[in-house]
Amino acid sequence: DADVTQTPRNRITKTGKRIMLECSQTKGHDRMYWYRQDPGLGLRLIYYSFDVKDINKGEISDGYSVSRQAQAKFSLSLESAIPNQTALYFCATSDRDPHRAFFGQGTRLTVV
Amino acid sequence: LAKTTQPISMDSYEGQEVNITCSHNNIATNDYITWYQQFPSQGPRFIIQGYKTKVTNEVASLFIPADRKSSTLSLPRVSLSDTAVYYCLVGPQTQDSNYQLIWGAGTKLIIKP
Repeated sequence: DADVTQTPRNRITKTGKRIMLECSQTKGHDRMYWYRQDPGLGLRLIYYSFDVKDINKGEISDGYSVSRQAQAKFSLSLESAIPNQTALYFCATSDRDPHRAFFGQGTRLTVV
Repeated sequence: LAKTTQPISMDSYEGQEVNITCSHNNIATNDYITWYQQFPSQGPRFIIQGYKTKVTNEVASLFIPADRKSSTLSLPRVSLSDTAVYYCLVGPQTQDSNYQLIWGAGTKLIIKP
């Protein structure tokens, strides 16, 4: 089984709909991250969490919210999806060193 | 945060050694250098990390000169499966909750038969 599991893997949704992307990990790490990747670009950080009670905004948090339900679970929500949120979304975890992160397989989200 | 500069793309042939250089002129004393590999439609995968001189693992080598203003990822005897995007990141190992990793666009490496 994968260490970092994202669900769903693919999703098509309509503009204005609320959608939740889920992430769970078996690494036992305290730190979890949500990234967005657009074609030909690197990853941009949306939100990150250092433990269940700690949530931090990343570079591009507008239009997104997160919930850290447990050490192993970190979900990303788009409250009202818009077409320019069409992208590949990645969840990641790490221990003390943020550079040694483990990534999920990604969720391809299309907003029509 | 130290900014990194990498070539946008490179190509090579199977069996060759490939070297990808990353520039990080304003690297800080406590910054480490980390490289990731990303295949299409997959999450990035950690390859190697170093602070100075040379680091080698089963996948690659990382060469860091004394001034640490650049680093070179070396992939020995590449195969078609090494075709991927390679990212160079620079920053401290930190507990600081304000710290954020900055990802560049990476280097797209294409290996030809």
